[in-house]
Amino acid sequence: EDQVTQSPEALRLQEGESSSLNCSYTVSGLRGLFWYRQDPGKGPEFLFTLYSAGEEKEKERLKATLTKKESFLHITAPKPEDSATYLCAVHTAGGTSYGKLTFGQGTILTVHP
Amino acid sequence: DTGVSQDPRHKITKRGQNVTFRCDPISEHNRLYWYRQTLGQGPEFLTYFQNEAQLEKSRLLSDRFSAERPKGSFSTLEIQRTEQGDSAMYLCASSLSLGSEQYFGPGTRLTVT
Repeated sequence: EDQVTQSPEALRLQEGESSSLNCSYTVSGLRGLFWYRQDPGKGPEFLFTLYSAGEEKEKERLKATLTKKESFLHITAPKPEDSATYLCAVHTAGGTSYGKLTFGQGTILTVHP
Repeated sequence: DTGVSQDPRHKITKRGQNVTFRCDPISEHNRLYWYRQTLGQGPEFLTYFQNEAQLEKSRLLSDRFSAERPKGSFSTLEIQRTEQGDSAMYLCASSLSLGSEQYFGPGTRLTVT
């Protein structure tokens, strides 16, 4: 069974203090790894897709990287508006899966001014 | 394009009642997904449609749950004889192709009293 684990569960940063969130996965045949941002009471907002080891994507203060076993979401000089829950999800090639995403439990990021 | 929409945004019902939620995907997306999310967890896959065909259902989807997507456009998710354990956020997502990023709606928050 596909498993996705995110760490830490919660992260508190001061504004401008860079850090990284981790997403480790155990899957049969990774087809894609997705990062989402979710604000309280709202649906997840798509950030990045990574398809192969070594791939990197950037958007403003966020940079996502992928290895064969894990992905990192690097946050450079975060601002209070970056506070949210960050979700990692995988799409795999196993069995009869037609494209469902398997999510981790998320990392709650709080950035203090 | 206004994105994925869901209705209602909030639903409070008494145990044993039936409820129905609606999802309107992004217009050119022929793939539609339903997920359920409880507090502190990532979304869990429920079911998947490609056009009007329901191609995949999770073991989480008991016989009290039914989903439809008539004419391959909007979708409905019905829960019969609701139980307190059904209280959750129900999320709908759509995508353009298999394995591409899924875009989520704002969700329907169900509370069963």
